[in-house]
Amino acid sequence: GEDVEQSLFLSVREGDSSVINCTYTDSSSTYLYWYKQEPGAGLQLLTYIFSNMDMKQDQRLTVLLNKKDKHLSLRIADTQTGDSAIYFCAESSYQKVTFGTGTKLQVIP
Amino acid sequence: DAGVIQSPRHEVTEMGQEVTLRCKPISGHNSLFWYRQTMMRGLELLIYFNNNVPIDDSGMPEDRFSAKMPNASFSTLKIQPSEPRDSAVYFCASSRDFGNTIYFGEGSWLTVV
Repeated sequence: GEDVEQSLFLSVREGDSSVINCTYTDSSSTYLYWYKQEPGAGLQLLTYIFSNMDMKQDQRLTVLLNKKDKHLSLRIADTQTGDSAIYFCAESSYQKVTFGTGTKLQVIP
Repeated sequence: DAGVIQSPRHEVTEMGQEVTLRCKPISGHNSLFWYRQTMMRGLELLIYFNNNVPIDDSGMPEDRFSAKMPNASFSTLKIQPSEPRDSAVYFCASSRDFGNTIYFGEGSWLTVV
């Protein structure tokens, strides 16, 4: 079946940039997503990128997509303590949406 | 616009009791998903519906779990009888069409003691 993989944990200092990486296997992916989950809450859609794009920027967030390598990354500039959360990568194709295991981002003041 | 609405937000029940979780998808969305999240297994897709019809229930753990969608604005996930290992957060989510962006509810936090 299709697979989406992420590292489990990332720790950064406040003010630094965070880069969360994701790899996927489905070559027919149409959209790729980043979701944020804060403690005790549901998954909140942060941003998404269409598979024919290679970059999307939205304020402090930059999404990079390398379709050849099936690699997606989320860069958070000037990381703040409020960015501490679990970040899920997801990919969708016509038939399904597959989520990664989530990367827990810890921001050290 | 109202998001995906789930109830109850929190439930504590005794082993063997029936549990019913409810979901109201975003108006106009025709795909609905039930997910379960645990520390050990992460986020698992249990079942999804398209136009009120169950499309794939291969993620439903066992016969104790059942889900229905009687109309476009309501779905239930039922566990009967419940067991302690069913303790988890159950998320309902919806999307406009299958394969489009999925929007999640805040989850139902179930504890079975």
